[in-house]
Amino acid sequence: AQSVTQLDSQVPVFEEAPVELRCNYSSSVSVYLFWYVQYPNQGLQLLLKYLSGSTLVESINGFEAEFNKSQTSFHLRKPSVHISDTAEYFCAVSETGNEKLTFGTGTRLTIIP
Amino acid sequence: ETGVTQTPRHLVMGMTNKKSLKCEQHLGHNAMYWYKQSAKKPLELMFVYSLEERVENNSVPSRFSPECPNSSHLFLHLHTLQPEDSALYLCASSQDLAGEETQYFGPGTRLLVL
Repeated sequence: AQSVTQLDSQVPVFEEAPVELRCNYSSSVSVYLFWYVQYPNQGLQLLLKYLSGSTLVESINGFEAEFNKSQTSFHLRKPSVHISDTAEYFCAVSETGNEKLTFGTGTRLTIIP
Repeated sequence: ETGVTQTPRHLVMGMTNKKSLKCEQHLGHNAMYWYKQSAKKPLELMFVYSLEERVENNSVPSRFSPECPNSSHLFLHLHTLQPEDSALYLCASSQDLAGEETQYFGPGTRLLVL
């Protein structure tokens, strides 16, 4: 069965500093990988996803994530964060042929002015 | 604007009450979902509907009863809940029931059971 681990429950970062949010998954078959973001008092929204092809995927607001099959990871990075990036970030995985999406416990990103 | 709306946004109920949560999607999607979000825990998938038919029920207690009258609307009927059922209940939809599909979430209903 698929599973997702987000080891960091909270990550404080100074404004304009780089950030990496870690995500590791476990699965015995091919996977699709997602990062969702939840801003305060809102539902989740897709940030980016990996389905196939290039292992580096990017979002429109400067985040990127790289699928690393050998390390079973899909870490999220941004070279320079802004106050508006304050949110909770969820990594999720689904297995090919299985419609169920499994989420991690989330990482709360706090930006320090 | 996500295209998925939920009402009410906040709900306080006693353990003997009966209430319903409503979800509506304006995206023309065929699949809809109910999730429970509790602090420090992963999102828990509760129910999945595809083309108005329930395709998954993840061992959810019978005090939660879903209803999908059409592909745009999803309800979660609540009765005799317990305090541990207090959580954020999220509705989501996707074009189809496939692992690569993006799910679109509503803002959630914050439920407090006293």
